[in-house]
Parts: sequence; structure tokens; C-alpha cells
Amino acid sequence: EDKVVQSPLSLVVHEGDTVTLNCSYEVTNFRSLLWYKQEKKAPTFLFMLTSSGIEKKSGRLSSILDKKELFSILNITATQTGDSAVYLCAVAGTNAGKSTFGDGTTLTVKP
Amino acid sequence: NAGVTQTPKFRILKIGQSMTLQCAQDMNHNYMYWYRQDPGMGLKLIYYSVGAGITDKGEVPNGYNVSRSTTEDFPLRLELAAPSQTSVYFCASSYEFSAAYEQYFGPGTRLTVT
Repeated sequence: EDKVVQSPLSLVVHEGDTVTLNCSYEVTNFRSLLWYKQEKKAPTFLFMLTSSGIEKKSGRLSSILDKKELFSILNITATQTGDSAVYLCAVAGTNAGKSTFGDGTTLTVKP
Repeated sequence: NAGVTQTPKFRILKIGQSMTLQCAQDMNHNYMYWYRQDPGMGLKLIYYSVGAGITDKGEVPNGYNVSRSTTEDFPLRLELAAPSQTSVYFCASSYEFSAAYEQYFGPGTRLTVT
């Protein structure tokens, strides 16, 4: 059975701090790992990672995948209150594009 | 494009009642999915479909049924609602041949069964 574990479950920081969110996984026929941001509504897509060691960046957010050790990290630098959200990690196998989601990390950024 | 739309946004059901959650997408995606999200948890896959006429069970299919008669629509049917089905339900869709399988989510339906 596919499994995704995220840590920490929750995190409280102050504006300007840098945070690292972790995602480890076990999946049959790995295809990709995806990060989503969820702010009290539907998840919105952040990154898709398929290859080890290649960093994806979008503004203050970046992510990298290690397919040997089966984990990914999501970094957020210079955090802002608008970064407060649940960050979900999902792993997609080759079976019909199904994704297995972790339980998420709840990030709270205080002013 | 409207993307993925879901109706209703909120619903309260009594135990034993039935209802259908509607989902539609206008992006011509072949793949569609139904998830439920319980408080503080991630998304659990209920059912998915790889095209019109083809559906399959996900992780938590018990108590639900789906159909896919068109590419656009993927309704989720709850039969004999139970309190354990109180949750937020998300419908999603994705391209068939995308290596990313990035999913586009609807706004969700918050269902309470009392």
C-alpha cells in the first residue's frame, strides 16, 4: 500500500523565518511527487518533481526530491503571513494517475 | 473556463438519507477523482475514473457510488448516509497523459450527517 508521511504536522514561525517541510514516501511505480497549498479551500498546485536533485523554485518557495532516500523537502524563505496554510504532499504512481496524499503540514506564520 | 465546479457547497443530511454530489469540468480532462478530507487529515481517494464509462475504487469506496456517462460529469452518490461520512468532499480532474498528473480541484462540498 502506498504511503506518504509528512513532518512536522504543524509549525508556528514568525514573519521572515525560513521553514523546511518534509515528505517521505513509499509507492509502487513512482511517477512524480507533487506539493499543494491548501488555504481553507481546495488545494492549489505548487510543484511537481520527477527527478532527483533538481530543485524547483517559485519565488520564495523551492522543492527538491531524493528518489534514493524517498523523500522531498519544501523550503519557504522569508515567510509571510500569507504563507499560512496546510501544505500537502502527494505521490503519483503510474496507476491511472492516482495520487496518495500525506496528512499535511499546517504552517502558521505570525506577524 | 470554469474549471472544476461542484454543487452543493454545503449540505446537512439525516442518517439514512441519500444524496448526489455533482461535479463537472470543462477542461476536457479524461481523469476525474473524488476525495474526502476529514479535519486535520489529508485527502483520501474514494473513486476515480479514467474516461467516460470507466470507474474504479480508491482507498475508501464503501458507502459511495459513482458513474461517468460523459467526459464532463462525475457525480458521487451517497446511499444511506452515516455520521462517518461527515467530511469535505473534493472533486478533481487531470490530463490523461501528463507525467505530472497535476490535479485541478473543485471548491469542495461540506457535508454533515446528523
